[in-house]
Amino acid sequence: QSVLTQPPSVSGAPGQRVTISCTGSSSNLGAGYDVHWYQQRPGTAPKLLIYDNTNRPSGVPDRFSGANSGTSASLAITGLQAADEADYYCQSYDSSLSGYVFGTGTKVTVL
Amino acid sequence: QVQLVESGGGVVQPGRSLRLSCVASGFTFSNYAMNWVRQAPGKGLEWVTSISYDGNSIYYADSVKGRVTVSRDNSKDTLYLQMSSLRGEDTAAYYCARKAYNRNYHARHFDYWGQGTLVTVSS
Repeated sequence: QSVLTQPPSVSGAPGQRVTISCTGSSSNLGAGYDVHWYQQRPGTAPKLLIYDNTNRPSGVPDRFSGANSGTSASLAITGLQAADEADYYCQSYDSSLSGYVFGTGTKVTVL
Repeated sequence: QVQLVESGGGVVQPGRSLRLSCVASGFTFSNYAMNWVRQAPGKGLEWVTSISYDGNSIYYADSVKGRVTVSRDNSKDTLYLQMSSLRGEDTAAYYCARKAYNRNYHARHFDYWGQGTLVTVSS
């Protein structure tokens, strides 16, 4: 059972901007633990997209950006492309569970 | 380049045991904490367990505590997951994932993932 809540799906036309929310609680995001984002294309392993709320690993386009505020965080994708169709997961640490937690996942569809 | 290659998955009957392996290459394995993350078919990601770089600190998700054991052999650059008393709800792709390291702070994200190995628990 996920303790971070995301919308099941978001969609947008090519070139548009979409955002994905990630809502946590006082034992994870609200406790100040960073949020990280992963992209998972169909049939492949997850790939780190954003770490420590706002940082992009080398090779990730700047079309992807992250934000974190209190008990919620968000991932924005600008200039939406067909290649962005994937599932996206947020992840943090939960002090009450003493472990890592993932979001419920959001499927991004490019119309 | 960093590579993580899992193996050991397959079809296993309920109640039986299975051991998964993850062979690492392209980095100094003994310097990094490692994790197992699973994903049931059509479902989201679930963290399973973490082991520190030296094997001295281990953490498990409540859903698997008492039924799985994580270990590592730094001389073989290999991570293991021993699973016992397997249940249908353990059916999933199991990924090994490297925990990022930063000497200035405690990183808590996973920077590299293997391709996964599928475990199917069925009679």
